[in-house]
Amino acid sequence: QSVLTQPPSASGTPGQRVTISCSGSRSNIGSNTVSWYQQLPGTAPKLLFYSTNQRPSGVPDRFSGSKSGTSASLAISGLQSEDEADYYCASWDDSLNGWVFGGGTKLTVL
Amino acid sequence: EVQLVQSGAEVKKPGESLRISCKGSGYSFTSHWITWVRQMPGKGLEWMGRIDPSDSYTKYSPSFQGHVTISVDKSISTAYLQWSSLKASDTAMYYCARRDSNGYYGWFDPWGQGTLVTVSS
Repeated sequence: QSVLTQPPSASGTPGQRVTISCSGSRSNIGSNTVSWYQQLPGTAPKLLFYSTNQRPSGVPDRFSGSKSGTSASLAISGLQSEDEADYYCASWDDSLNGWVFGGGTKLTVL
Repeated sequence: EVQLVQSGAEVKKPGESLRISCKGSGYSFTSHWITWVRQMPGKGLEWMGRIDPSDSYTKYSPSFQGHVTISVDKSISTAYLQWSSLKASDTAMYYCARRDSNGYYGWFDPWGQGTLVTVSS
């Protein structure tokens, strides 16, 4: 079981807004920043957000990241078929002295 | 362009040893930690450990401590992940990634393309 908890699946229709949650604890999300990764089918993960809400160049502003307490969220507005992928959150864990990932959320665009 | 290029897919038998590689280019290799991540078939990402190429200091996840060894040859900008005795349960895709940061623990970017390791008798 992953240290960070994500819903296994999410879905939406084109144009909709979808939110993916990532729940942790004081030793990880509560104390450190969060990063998000997008993994398209058959490819390596790609950085989507760093420092909780910073988008690397090339990531559309349809994507946004936030954090409150021990939980983080990834929001995708104006959903497109190309957004269909697995999404993972990650954070440093002070107790484990290492990084932890969420279990991943499979986003389906209906 | 910053990139990490990993070695090719491997098919091994249980009990065999293996070393896979991850070569960095386009940046100062010793300035960024390299981390290894496992993805078992149909499963999520698991952080295995990391190495600081400047001094070869390593830190492993408790789940992988003692099962794998992470090393580096900074003269050729290459990090390694190795097993001394593979098990069928080691069958997975393995990714290396560069750790970047702004002074805190950071994030992973870019990622290598992955190395598929299959262990079967």
